[in-house]
Amino acid sequence: ETGVTQTPRHLVMGMTNKKSLKCEQHLGHNAMYWYKQSAKKPLELMFVYNFKEQTENNSVPSRFSPECPNSSHLFLHLHTLQPEDSALYLCASSQERGGSETQYFGPGTRLLVL
Amino acid sequence: GQNIDQPTEMTATEGAIVQINCTYQTSGFNGLFWYQQHAGEAPTFLSYNVLDGLEEKGRFSSFLSRSKGYSYLLLKELQMKDSASYLCAVRDSDYKLSFGAGTTVTVRA
Repeated sequence: ETGVTQTPRHLVMGMTNKKSLKCEQHLGHNAMYWYKQSAKKPLELMFVYNFKEQTENNSVPSRFSPECPNSSHLFLHLHTLQPEDSALYLCASSQERGGSETQYFGPGTRLLVL
Repeated sequence: GQNIDQPTEMTATEGAIVQINCTYQTSGFNGLFWYQQHAGEAPTFLSYNVLDGLEEKGRFSSFLSRSKGYSYLLLKELQMKDSASYLCAVRDSDYKLSFGAGTTVTVRA
């Protein structure tokens, strides 16, 4: 148990659907992250939030929209996705952005876009 | 961008030792991490190196040479449960964490 939970664990959606991924951390951390993990590729950082403020957006397409209502919760809203967006989406948290802190990961949401 | 290289796959026998190498080229350096990821599960933190040298944690050790842009993760007394993907990640001067593609280690009986 890493203290970071994600729902749903699996999601299948059509290209015209709208869905949201949820992440919750129970570690008292102030920074949260969204990563994309495709098969045989490195983890790709998508978004970073530090104290509820978005501090990084790594040129992610607008069909991915993050939301961080508080330091414990992070959402990724999905709409009009493409089949190449199928991947494992991982949420992580750390004490805060910067410093020597370690990131702790959730189990991920396996997304399939048809 | 950052460049982090590690072997794609390694196979070893139960009880043996395996060394996973990682080389990196990044804009600045603020630490190197190793994570373990079992299939279908979250990456879990294994080790952190920011100074040169060897860090030992039980059966796992991690080494760093900043001048060479090189690290390795050493797994000793391999067990079947050590079969997993091992991710090397480097934090740059902007504190951004970049990952390698991971090394899949298969432990055979």
